[in-house]
Amino acid sequence: KQEVTQIPAALSVPEGENLVLNCSFTDSAIYNLQWFRQDPGKGLTSLLLIQSSQREQTSGRLNASLDKSSGRSTLYIAASQPGDSATYLCAVRVTGNQFYFGTGTSLTVIP
Amino acid sequence: KAGVTQTPRYLIKTRGQQVTLSCSPISGHRSVSWYQQTPGQGLQFLFEYFSETQRNKGNFPGRFSGRQFSNSRSEMNVSTLELGDSALYLCASTHGSGGSETQYFGPGTRLLVL
Repeated sequence: KQEVTQIPAALSVPEGENLVLNCSFTDSAIYNLQWFRQDPGKGLTSLLLIQSSQREQTSGRLNASLDKSSGRSTLYIAASQPGDSATYLCAVRVTGNQFYFGTGTSLTVIP
Repeated sequence: KAGVTQTPRYLIKTRGQQVTLSCSPISGHRSVSWYQQTPGQGLQFLFEYFSETQRNKGNFPGRFSGRQFSNSRSEMNVSTLELGDSALYLCASTHGSGGSETQYFGPGTRLLVL
């Protein structure tokens, strides 16, 4: 069974700092990996999707990388802002349309 | 395009009752997935429907069931509610094919079982 882990569970940084969130998964047989953010009490917003054949994706200040063979992905956030405060989740898509989610990293950016 | 909508947004039930939650996907999306989110277990996959057929199922008891209608709207039902069913239930619709599927989530239904 696929297991997805995210480290750290919580992170607090001053505004302007660059940061890295980590995601690891146990089974490398994935179709894609997606990063989401979730604001308190809300649904999930898709940030980046990396297909299994890709190494990285970028959107604005966000860059996600994927190393399928080692079962790892990182989300890099440049020049963090208070509005980036949220919980960040990674999810891997396995066979069919089933997704396994990590436990999330709760990020607080201090003004 | 309107996003994924879920109704109701909040629900309070008592143990033993049953509940039905509704999800309307983004127009044109044919796949709808349901997830349960709790502080202890995180996000767990319940099931996925595509063209009115259940295509994938997670590891939940038979008290959790769902269906999808011809217009792609989906409902999930939980019978004989237990305290542990208190959670945020999220619905997601999927667009795309060939490994490029992006999931779009609704705001969720927060269920409290007393």
